[in-house]
Amino acid sequence: EDQVTQSPEALRLQEGESSSLNCSYTVSGLRGLFWYRQDPGKGPEFLFTLYSAGEEKEKERLKATLTKKESFLHITAPKPEDSATYLCAVLTGNQFYFGTGTSLTVIP
Amino acid sequence: GAVVSQHPSWVICKSGTSVKIECRSLDFQATTMFWYRQFPKQSLMLMATSNEGSKATYEQGVEKDKFLINHASLTLSTLTVTSAHPEDSSFYICSARGQTGSSTDTQYFGPGTRLTVL
Repeated sequence: EDQVTQSPEALRLQEGESSSLNCSYTVSGLRGLFWYRQDPGKGPEFLFTLYSAGEEKEKERLKATLTKKESFLHITAPKPEDSATYLCAVLTGNQFYFGTGTSLTVIP
Repeated sequence: GAVVSQHPSWVICKSGTSVKIECRSLDFQATTMFWYRQFPKQSLMLMATSNEGSKATYEQGVEKDKFLINHASLTLSTLTVTSAHPEDSSFYICSARGQTGSSTDTQYFGPGTRLTVL
């Protein structure tokens, strides 16, 4: 069964304390893996698309990496404004599967 | 690029009335649009997928007669909640997928519509 699991469910970091969020997947025929950021009361904001194992993408303090079984979203020296829920999704065939998200809180 | 808008951003209506929510892709042609529902502190729940000019495909458990979806053009999809009841109160989010840059795979989301049914 195709599945996407994100961990941890919630993460509290001190400002400047780097960490990683995990998105593991069991799907057949991965076409793409996507990371989104969602703020409360808003729609998800697109961050990255990764297509193949070994691929990396960076944007400001965020870096996404992909292996054959999982993806990591690394957050370097986070700031309070990085607080949000981070969602990952995988595309297999024409079907998208979303994880349940990691709620990140960065404390000043 | 790849901007999706939704209108209205919030709506309050009386029980029994119908509400229409619009979703527009502003700078690309959306061959596929998706409608999601999200409850507080929960993840996205896909309601239906629609391709331009075709009937929407609804997920199991979603009443197609209650949630009417029309994808009449490559830039516009509408969701009509018919005979709304308090249990339909939720956050509705659309997304669009089409030719954006070099990719056709990425979904771009609208800002969401908060529906409150009294």
